[in-house]
Amino acid sequence: DGGITQSPKYLFRKEGQNVTLSCEQNLNHDAMYWYRQDPGQGLRLIYYSQIVNDFQKGDIAEGYSVSREKKESFPLTVTSAQKNPTAFYLCASSSDAQETQYFGPGTRLLVL
Amino acid sequence: ILNVEQSPQSLHVQEGDSTNFTCSFPSSNFYALHWYRWETAKSPEALFVMTLNGDEKKKGRISATLNTKEGYSYLYIKGSQPEDSATYLCAPHHSGYSTLTFGKGTMLLVSP
Repeated sequence: DGGITQSPKYLFRKEGQNVTLSCEQNLNHDAMYWYRQDPGQGLRLIYYSQIVNDFQKGDIAEGYSVSREKKESFPLTVTSAQKNPTAFYLCASSSDAQETQYFGPGTRLLVL
Repeated sequence: ILNVEQSPQSLHVQEGDSTNFTCSFPSSNFYALHWYRWETAKSPEALFVMTLNGDEKKKGRISATLNTKEGYSYLYIKGSQPEDSATYLCAPHHSGYSTLTFGKGTMLLVSP
């Protein structure tokens, strides 16, 4: 089945540790996105990529990094510079940046 | 950052009630409006995409209208059912912005 997968479902981070969230899609979409959701907040855009080997910062990119080496994959690294990483992270993809986005199941990141 | 407002923030209705909520956005440079439904423990799912002033879309008991001149869209649910309980997100796309901008959503709870 075509779709978007994210792993892991839950992730625990220790202080000072970098962690990487996985996002894979087999929809042949060019564009991919990372969002963060906090209680009472909407979806806030962290990074997006419209094409392989290219990505742009979203509204809250500080403390995060991404790569887009393959069309299917858009991993997100939460670095130790992100002081408040506890949140629900959603990955999405679309055929291009103006089209409907399709979302993965999300990863919940917790800090120990 | 584009200003997208959704109201009300939350809504609690009884089964069988009809309800509606609003998405407001800047009318200038408007390109398209997306509506999503986000059920608890699931991924957001696309409901509608609308582009033209006066557009009306319908999917079962859910319908949406669009007014691009004044910058708003209404989402209507006729005869709400418990399975309609979800957060409803709107996301306009404007020229000059690379991606969709999500509102904070309206959380709907339908009690049996």
